[in-house]
Amino acid sequence: GDSVTQMEGPVTLSEEAFLTINCTYTATGYPSLFWYVQYPGEGLQLLLKATKADDKGSNKGFEATYRKETTSFHLEKGSVQVSDSAVYFCALSEKLIFGTGTRLQVFP
Amino acid sequence: NAGVMQNPRHLVRRRGQEARLRCSPMKGHSHVYWYRQLPEEGLKFMVYLQKENIIDESGMPKERFSAEFPKEGPSILRIQQVVRGDSAAYFCASSPTEGKFEQYFGPGTRLTVT
Repeated sequence: GDSVTQMEGPVTLSEEAFLTINCTYTATGYPSLFWYVQYPGEGLQLLLKATKADDKGSNKGFEATYRKETTSFHLEKGSVQVSDSAVYFCALSEKLIFGTGTRLQVFP
Repeated sequence: NAGVMQNPRHLVRRRGQEARLRCSPMKGHSHVYWYRQLPEEGLKFMVYLQKENIIDESGMPKERFSAEFPKEGPSILRIQQVVRGDSAAYFCASSPTEGKFEQYFGPGTRLTVT
């Protein structure tokens, strides 16, 4: 069946460091791909999405490119901030299938 | 436009009691999804509903759990005879239609079974 695999956390970075969180998927057809972010004690918020191969989703300095050839949707940010500390979930449509989440901790 | 609303935000039940969790989707959204998040884990799909219909309940435990989305009013996730293992955060999400559209999540209901 469809599945999503994320890199394990926590990821610990200093402010202004470069961030990559890996996500690969297994799916039939051409799913949409999403990154959601969950801040402590809150629900999930959509961070970015891509609906077809080679699409690049971007928001708040985060980017991810839908790579069909490598079945990947890695999340990147050039310069993280302390306020980016949260848990990040990669997900696959249509019935959202989530990865296990990657906790990001950014220190000043 | 108000977001997805869930209540209560926190719910404490003793073993054997019933828990009722409510979800009001965003205005104009007719599709509701329920997810469960166990401590330190990702979200697991439970059930997908449209108004008055259960579309996919493949993630629901076979016993004690039920969900509805009536023509009027919020969607309800009901857990009968709760056990300690039901303690989790339950999230509701809604979307305007099915398929490749993003889902919008509520803040969740944190259920604690004592």
